[in-house]
Amino acid sequence: QSVLTQPPSASGTPGQRVTISCSGSSSNIGSNYVYWYQQLPGTAPKLLIYSNNQRPSGVPDRFSGSKSGTSASLAISGLRSEDEADYYCAAWDDSLSGPHYVFGTGTKVTVL
Amino acid sequence: EVQLVESGGGLVQPGGSLRLSCAASGFTFSSYEMNWVRQAPGKGLEWVSYISSSGSTIYYADSVKGRFTISRDNAKNSLYLQMNSLRAEDTAVYYCAGKNLVGATYFDYWGQGTLVTVSS
Repeated sequence: QSVLTQPPSASGTPGQRVTISCSGSSSNIGSNYVYWYQQLPGTAPKLLIYSNNQRPSGVPDRFSGSKSGTSASLAISGLRSEDEADYYCAAWDDSLSGPHYVFGTGTKVTVL
Repeated sequence: EVQLVESGGGLVQPGGSLRLSCAASGFTFSSYEMNWVRQAPGKGLEWVSYISSSGSTIYYADSVKGRFTISRDNAKNSLYLQMNSLRAEDTAVYYCAGKNLVGATYFDYWGQGTLVTVSS
């Protein structure tokens, strides 16, 4: 089961700002970088944020990431209809059985 | 054009084996760290396994350790996942994904996925 906890859903109207939280622990978010992925319906995930707050080339600056302690957040500003998707946080976890890459439980964003 | 194309999925009985392949093109595969990630129907993402660019470092999720084996052939630009002792809970779409950080630029590529169904 996922060790990173996200709210199951979030929503907003076009133009609004939506924030998604991701709660972890000292062995994952607390000591490693956080990544965020967007998965549109029926497609493969796409990297939105790496190294806590960096955007790969081509990702709009409407998407921003932050991290504090053992929690992280993804903010989507100026919400658009095409942002309706599932969003996952992820991080490496320094588990006793060796490094594991863990995903969050996922948040479905709905544009009202 | 960058492409990762998975193949080898299908229907297999519990206890059976399957070998997934991921063919890479359009980028320098040998420089990329690779992962297998799966997604059960209607569920979230689950990391399966990691292999470094040279193949010298490998990690597995606890759920597949001892049953699955990741490998790569940089000469053939290919990634593999040998899956043995398959269980119903291994049913999922399996994605291969590659990543590389070059200077200040992060590259992250995913395939379209291949469906593995474990059922009698």
